[in-house]
Amino acid sequence: GAVVSQHPSRVICKSGTSVKIECRSLDFQATTMFWYRQFPKKSLMLMATSNEGSKATYEQGVEKDKFLINHASLTLSTLTVTSAHPEDSSFYICSAGVRTDTQYFGPGTRLTVL
Amino acid sequence: GENVEQHPSTLSVQEGDSAVIKCTYSDSASNYFPWYKQELGKGPQLIIDIRSNVGEKKDQRIAVTLNKTAKHFSLHITETQPEDSAVYFCAAFPNTGNQFYFGTGTSLTVIP
Repeated sequence: GAVVSQHPSRVICKSGTSVKIECRSLDFQATTMFWYRQFPKKSLMLMATSNEGSKATYEQGVEKDKFLINHASLTLSTLTVTSAHPEDSSFYICSAGVRTDTQYFGPGTRLTVL
Repeated sequence: GENVEQHPSTLSVQEGDSAVIKCTYSDSASNYFPWYKQELGKGPQLIIDIRSNVGEKKDQRIAVTLNKTAKHFSLHITETQPEDSAVYFCAAFPNTGNQFYFGTGTSLTVIP
């Protein structure tokens, strides 16, 4: 149980395009989902907290208009990187849980912006 | 806010030896401390956790200890195997907040 999936696992796009990443809880309903960004050999950096049916709460320094988060249902949250640029290239990871202090991580999405 | 420090950043051990990774935290309100294992190109996987009402927890070759007074907790891996090679992250969760605070990670290499 407690499986979280992400799609796609890897995406390469041209600069200026938008990319959508999906995070799904496969066998449970997640009241809260988190989105993280991870640079090579670095720790996880929390970008935003997503609650079903409400607006995401963004961490300081994270551009809301750049990283659009939608938590449409208890099993799906999406992160859209708008007008992506090479500096947005990173490993994006979501986590989901029924309880905020019990989170299960997705396998991550490697975004490369050319 | 909470600040979690993790040491060492890299650790190499011979197969069969033990590995210990240590973390300290600053917020006494933290009451949940998970440890994650992250393999290259994958998301973190929870391997063991401990809550503040417990001093030690063990699961086969993995154990975690917590010292609330000193605000530090440690991961112990015994009889290490090459497949234990990965990056390990500790985290703390304050009961007054709604997010995890992660350590900086330890890259563990088990030498066959």
